[in-house]
Amino acid sequence: SAVISQKPSRDICQRGTSLTIQCQVDSQVTMMFWYRQQPGQSLTLIATANQGSEATYESGFVIDKFPISRPNLTFSTLTVSNMSPEDSSIYLCSVRTGGIPYYGYTFGSGTRLTVV
Amino acid sequence: RKEVEQDPGPFNVPEGATVAFNCTYSNSASQSFFWYRQDCRKEPKLLMSVYSSGNEDGRFTAQLNRASQYISLLIRDSKLSDSATYLCVVNLPGGSYIPTFGRGTSLIVHP
Repeated sequence: SAVISQKPSRDICQRGTSLTIQCQVDSQVTMMFWYRQQPGQSLTLIATANQGSEATYESGFVIDKFPISRPNLTFSTLTVSNMSPEDSSIYLCSVRTGGIPYYGYTFGSGTRLTVV
Repeated sequence: RKEVEQDPGPFNVPEGATVAFNCTYSNSASQSFFWYRQDCRKEPKLLMSVYSSGNEDGRFTAQLNRASQYISLLIRDSKLSDSATYLCVVNLPGGSYIPTFGRGTSLIVHP
């Protein structure tokens, strides 16, 4: 399965600032996924990032708040913009492995963000 | 109603016990099902897929009941190292196979 390097692993940021999270995959993948996991909650999909096209955002998430880049098939970034304490969460990138319909998902180690 | 529901627990069991978790899903057309394990402050990792006929991997057995729309995970002879959160994951219908995660069920295995 793919190996994902995600950084930073954690950060404490001032409100109003932005943080960019990076994910590097050791193989080429068509789709990369960005999730948020708030304390005690499940994973919520933010957006799907395809190389060469605009990311597809889920309901409740917008590009201005969470801009995503996907410059090639092994790399993606998620920016959390104009942060507020409500953005404190764990952010995870993920890639799909396996075949239809039993896709599995491999995750990066996560970015633990605290906004103060 | 949430698409994927799990009892958050925690389930607190002694070593050697057998414990089972259920997960219900709301969309009858859901196509594939999984159990993931998430350790504290770690990312989720695939534990096992859940096949229509049920499947077993060592001490772990997964079952799918399409009629009642639930999947289950049975852990036999619990080990201390089984302590974790177990996430139920369902792939909704449609070509994109985007997964929906349950909140997870916490398991604590004590000596």
